[in-house]
Amino acid sequence: GNSVTQMEGPVTLSEEAFLTINCTYTATGYPSLFWYVQYPGEGLQLLLKATKADDKGSNKGFEATYRKETTSFHLEKGSVQVSDSAVYFCALTLFYNQGGKLIFGQGTELSVKP
Amino acid sequence: NAGVTQTPKFQVLKTGQSMTLQCAQDMNHEYMSWYRQDPGMGLRLIHYSVGAGITDQGEVPNGYNVSRSTTEDFPLRLLSAAPSQTSVYFCASSKGPGDTEAFFGQGTRLTVV
Repeated sequence: GNSVTQMEGPVTLSEEAFLTINCTYTATGYPSLFWYVQYPGEGLQLLLKATKADDKGSNKGFEATYRKETTSFHLEKGSVQVSDSAVYFCALTLFYNQGGKLIFGQGTELSVKP
Repeated sequence: NAGVTQTPKFQVLKTGQSMTLQCAQDMNHEYMSWYRQDPGMGLRLIHYSVGAGITDQGEVPNGYNVSRSTTEDFPLRLLSAAPSQTSVYFCASSKGPGDTEAFFGQGTRLTVV
């Protein structure tokens, strides 16, 4: 079946540290891949996306590259800030969106300390 | 811009009670979905709709009903609440075929006692 697996949290980092959150997927066909972020008490917001192999999504200093050969979409940021503290979800949607259905990973909670 | 609006934000129900979670979007999106968020499990799809009058089941549909009489609204009904339905519920919408960005409401935290 189709699924997303991401690294367990919580992750605690100091400000300006390098961040990597691992995400791997299993999917039939050609999925589009996403990272969503959920700040405390809020809904999910799209952080970045990639729709085909080797695409790099980027936003707010975060990056992720769609790696078909390793079925991965790891999230990275060179220097995290306290304001990046949130829960991060990796997700996929299958070919042509299929009704907007998203398949999510478990979520990784990030806490950044000053 | 309102986007996706969910009501209520918090709700406590007794086992066996019924209620409707409301979801409305003002972006003229074709697609709407309901997810539940549980610790360690991410978000799981309950039901979704590809347009007015068309709904289908997601991964965890049991105990929930939906209907979509208008483009804007997509209510989720719990007919007989159970403690296992204690969760945070999110409604989402997206434009339509081929457009991949989903917009989420702020969620409804439901507790069933």
